[in-house]
Amino acid sequence: QKEVEQNSGPLSVPEGAIASLNCTYSDRVSQSFFWYRQYSGKSPELIMSIYSNGDKEDGRFTAQLNKASQYVSLLIRDSQPSDSATYLCEGGSYIPTFGRGTSLIVHP
Amino acid sequence: EADIYQTPRYLVIGTGKKITLECSQTMGHDKMYWYQQDPGMELHLIHYSYGVNSTEKGDLSSESTVSRIRTEHFPLTLESARPSHTSQYLCASSGVYEQYFGPGTRLTVT
Repeated sequence: QKEVEQNSGPLSVPEGAIASLNCTYSDRVSQSFFWYRQYSGKSPELIMSIYSNGDKEDGRFTAQLNKASQYVSLLIRDSQPSDSATYLCEGGSYIPTFGRGTSLIVHP
Repeated sequence: EADIYQTPRYLVIGTGKKITLECSQTMGHDKMYWYQQDPGMELHLIHYSYGVNSTEKGDLSSESTVSRIRTEHFPLTLESARPSHTSQYLCASSGVYEQYFGPGTRLTVT
């Protein structure tokens, strides 16, 4: 079992809706987490980081960390077609650990 | 903005050739990483370094080697390229936590 798990999707949402991306992690992963967006053929780019329990908001993005349940999520409000990409969850630890990524498709 | 560079961006080379993929960063980051990623597939960590003269293998077995003689430079070498090495190679660096990725090198071995 991977230490950071993500549903590979694809997750399909209509334009303007809220996209919810989830990630679970094992005890061996440290408590800092990062979300990266990767467009097809491009490199991952950091979009959110979260270090403590609760919510962190940045524009249309909200990251949520629940340490008791060992999951971290990313909410994208007012989803746009330009949000269509693969979203990678990383559990920061001595050795970085990435999930497989969730493909998001936002259709007009 | 993160400044991390990779050269070449694209490389097509024949089997058996020795190749070096270059990665440089200007942020003074101690931590640097090499990942391998096939199209539509997950990232695999193949090498990492947490400082000068420090290198470790990642979770994916790789026939490549790396060196870290200068903080800003983390080249990856394949002594004898094979078609199975065809992939995208991504370099990244990190200060305290989050990683910044270079644009990648797309390698094709014929």
